[in-house]
Amino acid sequence: TQLLEQSPQFLSIQEGENLTVYCNSSSVFSSLQWYRQEPGEGPVLLVTVVTGGEVKKLKRLTFQFGDARKDSSLHITAAQPGDTGLYLCAGAPTGNQFYFGTGTSLTVIP
Amino acid sequence: DSGVTQTPKHLITATGQRVTLRCSPRSGDLSVYWYQQSLDQGLQFLIHYYNGEERAKGNILERFSAQQFPDLHSELNLSSLELGDSALYFCASSVASLSSYEQYFGPGTRLTVT
Repeated sequence: TQLLEQSPQFLSIQEGENLTVYCNSSSVFSSLQWYRQEPGEGPVLLVTVVTGGEVKKLKRLTFQFGDARKDSSLHITAAQPGDTGLYLCAGAPTGNQFYFGTGTSLTVIP
Repeated sequence: DSGVTQTPKHLITATGQRVTLRCSPRSGDLSVYWYQQSLDQGLQFLIHYYNGEERAKGNILERFSAQQFPDLHSELNLSSLELGDSALYFCASSVASLSSYEQYFGPGTRLTVT
């Protein structure tokens, strides 16, 4: 069982559609991060959410941290082919051990 | 470019062998993290060093070891290699000692064990 479960695991959508990716845990996190990874490359940090209920926007991407700080979501509006990639949530619930989520592989079809 | 460098980019070796992966963090970063990414396990945290000292251990096998040197670069040593060790190995660096702080990833080393 993974500490951070993401859903869906795979997502294939048409350009211009909206989508939401979920990151869930039974543990409380002081903060959660979202990364995007392209094939053969290292993950790139998109955002860090810290406060329960916090909403952060990055152009067409909206990130939300759950009120109880156990879950987070990523919403993409009007998806573009350049959004294609593996989206990973990550955090450290206790101590200094860092966990990545199971990942959501997004494909945006032109 | 994250500023984190890793060498080599690709490594092909045989079972039972030993290899060393190298990582140079971003200028000014004191923390180095090592991760293993395989298709079936996803991205797994291995170990974290801060300013030369080990801070946290994750799912790191006893056959694997790491260290961070005074110049802050780090090496991950993998020994008695098995087929299942084939994976992408990433290092990441961060300015802080807390792993919840932003981490910047290198391009990775792809290890193939034959």
